[in-house]
Amino acid sequence: NAGVTQTPKFQVLKTGQSMTLQCAQDMNHNSMYWYRQDPGMGLRLIYYSASEGTTDKGEVPNGYNVSRLNKREFSLRLESAAPSQTSVYFCASSELEHFQPTDTQYFGPGTRLTVL
Amino acid sequence: AQSVTQLGSHVSVSEGALVLLRCNYSSSVPPYLFWYVQYPNQGLQLLLKYTSAATLVKGINGFEAEFKKSETSFHLTKPSAHMSDAAEYFCAVRNSGGYNKLIFGAGTRLAVHP
Repeated sequence: NAGVTQTPKFQVLKTGQSMTLQCAQDMNHNSMYWYRQDPGMGLRLIYYSASEGTTDKGEVPNGYNVSRLNKREFSLRLESAAPSQTSVYFCASSELEHFQPTDTQYFGPGTRLTVL
Repeated sequence: AQSVTQLGSHVSVSEGALVLLRCNYSSSVPPYLFWYVQYPNQGLQLLLKYTSAATLVKGINGFEAEFKKSETSFHLTKPSAHMSDAAEYFCAVRNSGGYNKLIFGAGTRLAVHP
């Protein structure tokens, strides 16, 4: 039981390049999330998927797209990377659909992305 | 709208001393509050959560937090710090708005000195 896994762990891009961050969970969770973490700002929600087949914007969705490929996998795509997207990206999942307040979010180890 | 303020971006304590990490929240509805810990180069791990049951919540690794509605606070404490407690700690409140999310504070980095 690996929990939440993310690939890659590190990535360096040039401005304008595209890439997809992969996330998978093996806990049969219904909800999945993408956050970015920047110094002094905590974590901010980019997109979330409250159930298989649905995705919704979070707090900072501009410049990103997501795909809930199946119940296990939730990918984050940067179509044209910008230096402002340099950050640490975390994927998380939780058991229930449509985020219940008692539902714990489990986080992956993160992807450190640098955009030059 | 909900928000979280963590007082002190860096806290330093001696091994064996009391750990106190402060968190104040703003919420227009009864809040659900969480503390997460992040060890270096790792993801976040849930320490404890308050979901309107007991106001004193016990978590993992000897941590606990007390919900005080009158003070809008949810401070995290541990009676005796251990070197392994060195990490970054995040307080979060569940959003009650139109979309699902946790709203995180900026984090407090805890250093433990021998």
